[in-house]
Amino acid sequence: GAVVSQHPSWVICKSGTSVKIECRSLDFQATTMFWYRQFPKQSLMLMATSNEGSKATYEQGVEKDKFLINHASLTLSTLTVTSAHPEDSSFYICSAMGSSGQSTYNEQFFGPGTRLTVL
Amino acid sequence: AQSVTQLDSHVSVSEGTPVLLRCNYSSSYSPSLFWYVQHPNKGLQLLLKYTSAATLVKGINGFEAEFKKSETSFHLTKPSAHMSDAAEYFCVVSRKAAGNKLTFGGGTRVLVKP
Repeated sequence: GAVVSQHPSWVICKSGTSVKIECRSLDFQATTMFWYRQFPKQSLMLMATSNEGSKATYEQGVEKDKFLINHASLTLSTLTVTSAHPEDSSFYICSAMGSSGQSTYNEQFFGPGTRLTVL
Repeated sequence: AQSVTQLDSHVSVSEGTPVLLRCNYSSSYSPSLFWYVQHPNKGLQLLLKYTSAATLVKGINGFEAEFKKSETSFHLTKPSAHMSDAAEYFCVVSRKAAGNKLTFGGGTRVLVKP
């Protein structure tokens, strides 16, 4: 149990276009989802936290108008990189926590990540 | 505020020898501590976690870590390294009062020599 998927696993786009990344909890209800980015050979940096049905909370220095996050259901959150530029190229990872039946998950379960390359 | 320092950016070991990955944390309150492993271009897999129960925590694949409050450390060890242990390892601190946000250490890349 507690599986998180991401789609796509990789994407290449042209500068100026927008890209949407999906994060899904497959077997539990994700009340909270987190979005991270990871530059090559670096650690993960939290971008934003989203609770189902609420606006996302962004970390300091993350542009909310550039990185649009939607968490409209208990199993899906999306991250849209708007007007992408080469400096947005990175590995984007989501995580989720929530519950399934009687079980409450107090730890974050991570998706496999999405590699974005902006040309 | 909370922070995590992984003392070694790279560790190289021979197959069959012990592995030690060092982690020191800083947290105003009782933290939860985790070790995650990341293989190339993959997501993160939880190795083990400490949440104020036993100070010696056993995880998957033979890994274990000891929480030492007096030293503010949570070092990860494995008695005998395997080739498949070559990966990036992250020490992570979390605090429920901070919305369960995770703060990651800088990572330690483990190389296992045959």
